Order: sequence, then C-alpha cells, then structure tokens
Amino acid sequence: GAGVSQSPSNKVTEKGKDVELRCDPISGHTALYWYRQRLGQGLEFLIYFQGNSAPDKSGLPSDRFSAERTGESVSTLTIQRTQQEDSAVYLCASSLSGGGQETQYFGPGTRLLVL
Amino acid sequence: AQSVTQLDSQVPVFEEAPVELRCNYSSSVSVYLFWYVQYPNQGLQLLLKYLSGSTLVKGINGFEAEFNKSQTSFHLRKPSVHISDTAEYFCAVSGGNTGFQKLVFGTGTRLLVSP
Repeated sequence: GAGVSQSPSNKVTEKGKDVELRCDPISGHTALYWYRQRLGQGLEFLIYFQGNSAPDKSGLPSDRFSAERTGESVSTLTIQRTQQEDSAVYLCASSLSGGGQETQYFGPGTRLLVL
Repeated sequence: AQSVTQLDSQVPVFEEAPVELRCNYSSSVSVYLFWYVQYPNQGLQLLLKYLSGSTLVKGINGFEAEFNKSQTSFHLRKPSVHISDTAEYFCAVSGGNTGFQKLVFGTGTRLLVSP
C-alpha cells in the first residue's frame, strides 16, 4: 500500500476487556515496530519484528501485552485485561529491512481509551 | 539506558522568525539521530537524520540540524518559519546500549507559529 495503515483509528473499551490493534506495513518492508505514546510523553518502543527472526519484545511493559506478525505482512498487538494506564496512542512503523540507518515510516496510530 | 531530552515542551514563535528546537541525548558512543514531525491529526514523518559525515544535516521544508558530539546535542533550526510549520517535533536516537533498531524518542516540542 501507499503507507502504513492501522485499525481501528479509535478504540474505547472497559477495564478488564481484551483489545486487538492491527497494523498493515508498507508492502515490501520486512521490519515492523510498535510504539506507545502516552499523553505528555514521548514514544516508547514496545516490540520489533524483522523477517523470520525472533521478535525483540524487550519493550513490552507486562505479560498482558503480546504481538504477532504473519510473515512479512500484517501485525496484531493484543492487550489482555486492559487497565486505565494502557490508555495511549499505539503507533506502528515499518522499514525496508530493519537497518538502524533506515527511515521508519509511521502509521496514523490507534487511540485507545480504557474506561 | 539511552535517553533523549527535549527541554522545551512548547515554543511559540511569530511567522517568518527563526526557530531552534533543542535536543540532547545521553549516549557517548556511536548513534544515529533523527527528527520527526507530527502535524495535527497525521502520523509522524521524518524531517531529517544524521548517520555520519557532515555534522550539518539538511531536511525537508527548510529545516536543518547540527550534530555536536562534544555537547551530545542535535538541535533543529529553521531560519524563517511558516504558519504551516505548527506541529509537534520529536527528536530520536538509535544506537548506544539500546541497539540500532529501536528508536528512543524525546517527549516532543510543540511549535506554535502565529501571524
């Protein structure tokens, strides 16, 4: 596609419910990243996928957070038993092959509100 | 751990005036440096990046930044701003002890350009 797309654009859920956030990277990009942006804070790295390598999960804040990626395409970020502190904008990015010098292209984000 | 400091949360400026947005990072080893911009209701897009070589980097929309290793800074400048430059600007770094794949972001600086 033309750019990174994410869905839904907005999600309101009740505390304790599970949510799934979807990311479609740019076609041909083998690297995919998830970040979280809480109000008044910078973006925090969550997880990184590169091709068929094991993902770098070092940024996931708790075991309630998990992510999957099918091949080199769509990724899903799942938050189980959501808490109010999970409210944030979740951003997905992709890059060509994951090299540090590459530009990461960001999607518009999913705004999650946990009531 | 790697960190990025953007001291100014908000910078108000009049149209056609010069502006400097400050960014300092913590690593003393090789890093890559980036400035991203987020226009209202849009995703992040890359303004410019420093990988190596010349310390003065030119980006899109007339912005430039200077890498200063001794001061661990990467300040963003524009000699004459436009109303359309109103946006949030994020400085980011990769490398050091967090690896080159992950971006570590500052908390952002909101640039407000008024007529």
